[in-house]
Amino acid sequence: GAGVSQSPSNKVTEKGKDVELRCDPISGHTALYWYRQSLGQGLEFLIYFQGNSAPDKSGLPSDRFSAERTGGSVSTLTIQRTQQEDSAVYLCATARGVGRETQYFGPGTRLLVL
Amino acid sequence: DAKTTQPTSMDCAEGRAANLPCNHSTISGNEYVYWYRQIHSQGPQYIIHGLKNNETNEMASLIITEDRKSSTLILPHATLRDTAVYYCIVRGNAGGTSYGKLTFGQGTILTVHP
Repeated sequence: GAGVSQSPSNKVTEKGKDVELRCDPISGHTALYWYRQSLGQGLEFLIYFQGNSAPDKSGLPSDRFSAERTGGSVSTLTIQRTQQEDSAVYLCATARGVGRETQYFGPGTRLLVL
Repeated sequence: DAKTTQPTSMDCAEGRAANLPCNHSTISGNEYVYWYRQIHSQGPQYIIHGLKNNETNEMASLIITEDRKSSTLILPHATLRDTAVYYCIVRGNAGGTSYGKLTFGQGTILTVHP
C-alpha cells in the first residue's frame, strides 16, 4: 500500500516568510509525528498527534512553529517568519497507534531558508 | 528512554555479513530495542525490533544479550544498497511524557564496499 507522503519535497524560501509543510499518513494510522533533521545533526522530535487527544508539542523549538491535523488524517506543519536556522529536513512519521507501534517515515521536505 | 552507544562508522565488504553493535547498559525491563536506518536523502526506514529474544525478519537479525545491555544487528549478506546510517534506539512505553516518540542518536555510518 501507499506509504507516508510529504509535500513539497523541496522548499526554498526567503527569511521572514511563512511556510507550510504537508504530511499524508498511511491510511488507518492514528499516530502522527513530526521530526526535524538539521545538516549533520540527528533527528529531533517536534510534535505528536494521537487521534483526538491534545497533541504533544514539547519538541517545538519556538512559538513560530505550529502544527495541526485535520480530521485525524492530513497534518500541516507551519513555520512563521522563517529564520535561516530553520533550514533542515522535516520528516513525518505515522503509526497504527500509541506506544511501541512501528513508525513509518515519509521522504521528508527539505527546507532552505535564504 | 535509555541512552545507546554505537560506533561512529564501520566498513563491510559486499556479500559479507555486517554486524553492527549497540550498547544500552541502562535499559529497563519494559524497554524494547529498535533499529532504523537512513539511506542518504531518504527518511528513516524501520528494520527490526526486539525485547529479549533474538529476532529475524527478511531484512536482518537482531541478537540481544541475555542481560539486555547490548545488542547486535546483523545484515547477513550486505549489498552496496545497505550503505546507510544505522540507528539503535531504546524505546519505552507511551505512557507519561514519552508518547512513543523516537529518540535518535548519531548512529553508525555503515559503508559497504565492492
